[in-house]
Amino acid sequence: DIVMTQSPDSLAVSLGERATINCKSSQTVLYSSNNRNSLAWYQQKPGQPPKLLIYWASTRESGVPDRFSGSGSGTDFTLTISSLQAEDVAVYYCQQYHSTPFTFGPGTKVDIK
Amino acid sequence: EVQLLESGGGLEQPGGSLRLSCAASGFTFSSFPMSWVRQAPGKGLEWVSAITASGGSAYYTDSVKGRFTISRDNSKNTLYLQMNSLRAEDTAVYYCAKRRDGFDIWGQGTRVTVSS
Repeated sequence: DIVMTQSPDSLAVSLGERATINCKSSQTVLYSSNNRNSLAWYQQKPGQPPKLLIYWASTRESGVPDRFSGSGSGTDFTLTISSLQAEDVAVYYCQQYHSTPFTFGPGTKVDIK
Repeated sequence: EVQLLESGGGLEQPGGSLRLSCAASGFTFSSFPMSWVRQAPGKGLEWVSAITASGGSAYYTDSVKGRFTISRDNSKNTLYLQMNSLRAEDTAVYYCAKRRDGFDIWGQGTRVTVSS
């Protein structure tokens, strides 16, 4: 199974500042058929289902603000919120969909400082 | 509107059974693989099971193998999860999710509580 880890567990960032979340997979999630990384990022607010933000490691889902960006390849990935807004307070999860079980990271809680 | 609506959750005793349903609308259900993902109280997300678009193949996390069965009825646009031999550790909110690249559509979830 591919194990996903995230760091930090939580972070507090001032409004308008940058937030960076790291995700690491225990093995590559590179999909050989298209040479893209099978890595997604989700945002979950209390009492709500997760919302897809980023897929293929760096492709922003339709309707997601451009302050959210994803990067990385192989086993190391990053979600960046370039200018934190109040509505971005949430838990963020990475997930690999390269192979079953489609494992999630443990989550990173983002708060306002 | 693209939508997934789960039902069938509730309180069940250890060893009991429940059948969850997920009704899909607003997209061509038969074209997409589907998954179940659960979230125990105060915990993170755990992928549980997946099924291919045709229903021909199914996949499970180790902890539910032999106890849970995923299925779908493409004529009814509905996904199912048959849960047998329930354990306390199966207590969670269960979400169904549509798989495109990543899981792009999620239901609101149905709560399953396993307790005597």
